[in-house]
Amino acid sequence: NAGVTQTPKFRVLKTGQSMTLLCAQDMNHEYMYWYRQDPGMGLRLIHYSVGEGTTAKGEVPDGYNVSRLKKQNFLLGLESAAPSQTSVYFCASSYPLKQSTQYFGPGTRLTVL
Amino acid sequence: GNSVTQMEGPVTLSEEAFLTINCTYTATGYPSLFWYVQYPGEGLQLLLKATKADDKGSNKGFEATYRKETTSFHLEKGSVQVSDSAVYFCALSESAGGYQKVTFGIGTKLQVIP
Repeated sequence: NAGVTQTPKFRVLKTGQSMTLLCAQDMNHEYMYWYRQDPGMGLRLIHYSVGEGTTAKGEVPDGYNVSRLKKQNFLLGLESAAPSQTSVYFCASSYPLKQSTQYFGPGTRLTVL
Repeated sequence: GNSVTQMEGPVTLSEEAFLTINCTYTATGYPSLFWYVQYPGEGLQLLLKATKADDKGSNKGFEATYRKETTSFHLEKGSVQVSDSAVYFCALSESAGGYQKVTFGIGTKLQVIP
């Protein structure tokens, strides 16, 4: 039982390049989330999904796109990376109840030069 | 909207000292409350939670009580260890618009020195 996994762990991009971050979970969770973590700002929700084939915007969605073609996978895309997107990105998943624990992946550290 | 307030720190304590990290929240309904811990280089993991008023969550010697009257969920531990050095996040969760909306605090960095 791997829980939530993220690939890659580290990535360096140049401004304007694109990339996709992959999140996978093996707990059969309905909900999946993408967060970014920046110093002094805590965790901010980028996009989330309440089920296969559905996605929605979170707090800071600009510059990102997502897809959830399979229940276990949630992809985060950056079409044209900017230095402001330098951050640590975390994926999480949970059951659809307010008392449910969110399970986090180990994170992806992205640097945009 | 919902919000969670906690000090950013760092909080520096000697081993075996008593720990309190304050957390207060604002919410429109009846949220569930959580403490998550993040060890260096890792993702967040659940430390403890409480789902209704007056519930006490506990784990690994840490405790927090859901106080509705003061809208607080302070984290305490009687005797900290060096291995407790980490960042601690207070969070609340409510059902909103068909999904579980989670609001995190800024995170409090704890450093425990031998």
